[in-house]
Amino acid sequence: AQRVTQPEKLLSVFKGAPVELKCNYSYSGSPELFWYVQYSRQRLQLLLRHISRESIKGFTADLNKGETSFHLKKPFAQEEDSAMYYCALRQTSGSRLTFGEGTQLTVNP
Amino acid sequence: NAGVTQTPKFQVLKTGQSMTLQCAQDMNHEYMSWYRQDPGMGLRLIHYSVGAGITDQGEVPNGYNVSRSTTEDFPLRLLSAAPSQTSVYFCASSFGGSSYEQYFGPGTRLTVT
Repeated sequence: AQRVTQPEKLLSVFKGAPVELKCNYSYSGSPELFWYVQYSRQRLQLLLRHISRESIKGFTADLNKGETSFHLKKPFAQEEDSAMYYCALRQTSGSRLTFGEGTQLTVNP
Repeated sequence: NAGVTQTPKFQVLKTGQSMTLQCAQDMNHEYMSWYRQDPGMGLRLIHYSVGAGITDQGEVPNGYNVSRSTTEDFPLRLLSAAPSQTSVYFCASSFGGSSYEQYFGPGTRLTVT
């Protein structure tokens, strides 16, 4: 069975500092990994997906199959990045997502 | 497009009562799902559907029923509410197969006393 782990429930950084949100997974097949974000009073929305290898709002994430990780990084955090971030895994077949526990990021001025 | 809509936004139930959380989408998505969000536990899948007439259980299905009579609607029924079902419930939808993004509704905050 697949599993997604986000070891940090809370993460606090200062504006302009680098930020890294950790995500580890276990899955026997070839996974597809995603980061979803939930800003205050907004819906959960897709931030980025590993397959597109894009940078969204300055965030990037690289899938490391050797370490089974998909950490989310941003070199200079902004106050508007404060939100709840969820890492999610999709099985090779089907649409079902498995989410991690979530990390609440706070960027202080 | 309204996207994914959920009603009600808030609900308070007494233990043992039943109710239905409504979810609808107007994007012609085949795949729909229900999650519950609890602090420190992330989003956990309750039930999902890959098309009209087809439903299946997720991680935490006990105490919940679903049906999918149309592509648009995917209601979640609580049969006999318990305090452990106090949570925020999210409905999501997507195209099946190769599409990756799930679109989420605004959520229903349920309190069972």
